[in-house]
Amino acid sequence: KQEVTQIPAALSVPEGENLVLNCSFTDSAIYNLQWFRQDPGKGLTSLLLIQSSQREQTSGRLNASLDKSSGRSTLYIAASQPGDSATYLCAVRPVIQGAQKLVFGQGTRLTINP
Amino acid sequence: EAQVTQNPRYLITVTGKKLTVTCSQNMNHEYMSWYRQDPGLGLRQIYYSMNVEVTDKGDVPEGYKVSRKEKRNFPLILESPSPNQTSLYFCASSFFEGGELFFGEGSRLTVL
Repeated sequence: KQEVTQIPAALSVPEGENLVLNCSFTDSAIYNLQWFRQDPGKGLTSLLLIQSSQREQTSGRLNASLDKSSGRSTLYIAASQPGDSATYLCAVRPVIQGAQKLVFGQGTRLTINP
Repeated sequence: EAQVTQNPRYLITVTGKKLTVTCSQNMNHEYMSWYRQDPGLGLRQIYYSMNVEVTDKGDVPEGYKVSRKEKRNFPLILESPSPNQTSLYFCASSFFEGGELFFGEGSRLTVL
């Protein structure tokens, strides 16, 4: 059964720093991996989707990488801002369970201090 | 604006009183799904639908029903709510079952 882990559970950094959030998964057979952000009491906003054949995706200050063989993905945030404070979740679609299944990590709660 | 809309956003009800949480998307997506989010348990899939009249169980379907009579709507029905169904519920949709998933704002349900 696919498991997704995000460490650390919480992270606090000063404004302006570049930072990396980690996501690991146990089964490398995935269709794709998606990163989301969630603000308190709100829905999830899609940030980036990486297909299994891709190594990375970029959107503005965000860059997500995927290393299927090691079961890892990272989300790089450049020049962090207080508005980046949120919980970041990664989710994978395991081949063995079908593309309709999305397995989520528990998230990393990020705080950017002004 | 492309979006997934859920109603109600907040609801307090009592045990046994049937309720429906509506979900509508305006992106012509084929795939729709319901999740619940609970502290310490994360997001868990309740039901999903790959197209009109095609629905299937997720990880935690007990106590819930769904229907997909139209492409844009995917209501979640709690026939006889119980306190253990107190949770934050999310509807989500994508063009196809493996595509980028878009979420609604969530519906916070409290069952007394």
